[in-house]
Amino acid sequence: QSVLTQPPSVSAAPGQKVTISCSGSSSNIGNNYVSWYLQLPGTAPKLLIYDNNKRPSGIPDRFSGSKSGTSATLGITGLQTGDEADYYCGTWDSSLSAVVFGGGTKLTVL
Amino acid sequence: EVQLVESGGGLVKPGGSLRLSCAASGFSFSDYSMNWVRQAPGKGLEWVSSISTSSSYIYYADSVKGRFTISRDNAKNSLYLQMNSLRAEDTAVYYCARDLRGGSYPDYWGQGTLVTVSS
Repeated sequence: QSVLTQPPSVSAAPGQKVTISCSGSSSNIGNNYVSWYLQLPGTAPKLLIYDNNKRPSGIPDRFSGSKSGTSATLGITGLQTGDEADYYCGTWDSSLSAVVFGGGTKLTVL
Repeated sequence: EVQLVESGGGLVKPGGSLRLSCAASGFSFSDYSMNWVRQAPGKGLEWVSSISTSSSYIYYADSVKGRFTISRDNAKNSLYLQMNSLRAEDTAVYYCARDLRGGSYPDYWGQGTLVTVSS
C-alpha cells in the first residue's frame, strides 16, 4: 500500500492528452514539493517534473505538472507511442521522515 | 554529466548479508544527500534509506530498519548500503539516487543492481 495514490493505468490515443493524478496528505504533498518520474521497461526512473511544475533540461514541454492542496497532476499532451511507460509521483513525507512514492501508473497509447 | 554506478548485487541466501556500493561522478558528491530506492520484480518504487551530506541525518524505511545500514565516504565519492538478515522480500533492483536538495526526492538515478535472496 503506497502512501501516495495513483490510478493503476490510463490510456489515450496518439496525439491526445492524458492526465495522471497523485493523491496524498498534508504531511507529504500538502506541504512539500512533488516530483514525477518516467520509467521505461528495464530502465531506471528518469525525472520528468520537479518542484511541482518544473521540467529538467531536455524534457519537452508536452509534459507538465501541477499541484493543488494534497493532490498533484501530471499532464502529457501530443501523446506518442514512445510515451508508453510507467509514471510515478514522489515527494518527502515530513511525518514519516521518508521519501514516498505513488504506486505507479501504466500509460498505454492506443 | 552526473553518473551513479551501483555494484555489489547478486544471489544470497535468506539470513545472509550483502554490501552495495555506488560510485558517483560528474557532480560534487559531498554537497548532496543520497538515497537508496528499490524495486521488486514487477512492483513499484520503494524508498529504502537516505543520508545527508555529512552523514548527520540518516533515515530508513520501517521495512529495513535494524537490518540495513547506509553510509557514505565523501573522499571516495561513494555511497554504501550494508544489508544484513536478508529476506526473500528484499529481492529487488536497488537504485542509488541523488537527492535534489536534501529532505526532498531523487533527481538522478543509477542503473540499478539486482539483489536476489533465495535458497
